[in-house]
Amino acid sequence: EVQLVESGGGLVQPGGSLRLSCAASGFTFSRFAMTWVRQAPGKGLEWVSAIGPSGGTTYYADSVKGRFTISRDNSKNTLYMQMNSLRAEDTAIYYCGKVESYVVDSWGQGALVTASS
Amino acid sequence: EIVMTQSPATLSVSPGERATLSCRASQSVSSNLAWYQQKPGQAPRLLIYGASTRATGIPARFSGSGSGTEFTLTISSLQSEDFAVYYCQQYNNWPLYTFGQGTKLEIK
Repeated sequence: EVQLVESGGGLVQPGGSLRLSCAASGFTFSRFAMTWVRQAPGKGLEWVSAIGPSGGTTYYADSVKGRFTISRDNSKNTLYMQMNSLRAEDTAIYYCGKVESYVVDSWGQGALVTASS
Repeated sequence: EIVMTQSPATLSVSPGERATLSCRASQSVSSNLAWYQQKPGQAPRLLIYGASTRATGIPARFSGSGSGTEFTLTISSLQSEDFAVYYCQQYNNWPLYTFGQGTKLEIK
C-alpha cells in the first residue's frame, strides 16, 4: 500500500523559512515523479512544484519560483520542499503526491504551513 | 496558462439520484483530464483519469466523459459517502497542472 507522510509544517513569520518532508513507502520511490499541491484555507487546489524520478528535472509555479526548492533523496525515499521568503499568501495545507502516468494517483494527508506574525 | 472552469459551484441532489458535474478548459486538453474527490479534512482522491478511465477501486457509479474542452463527471446513483467537493484537473501541460475551482455536491 502506498503511503505518503508529510512533516515539517508549522507557524512561521512572514519572510521566514520552513522545510517540508514527505516520507514515501509501499512503492519504488525512485521510479516516479513527485509533486507538491497546496490548498489555502477554504480554497481550491493549487499546483506548486514537481520533480522527476531522478531529481534532475524540477518545475515550479510562478507564484513560488525563486523562493521554493523541491528536492528528493531516493536513498531515503523522501521528498522535500524548502520554502524561503514565506508570505501570508503561502499559508495552506501542503500535500505531496505520487505521479503515475501524469496524474496524482496517491496523496499524503497534508502539512499545514501558516505564515503569520 | 490553461484555465479550468467548473459548474455549478454547488449542486444539491437527493441520495439515489444522478449528479452531473461539468468542467470546461480554456483551450483543448485532449483527454488529459482527471477528476478528484475531496471530503472535509481529507486529502483529494483520484477518481477518473484520461477523461473516462476509473482509478483503481473507484465504483462503477462514477463515470467521466468528454474531450477537448468540455468534460463531465456523472455519479449515477448518489450514495451518502459521495457528498464531497469534486475537482477537475488538466495535465495536458504536465507538470503545469491546473485545477478547476471545485463543485460542492451537497445533500438536497
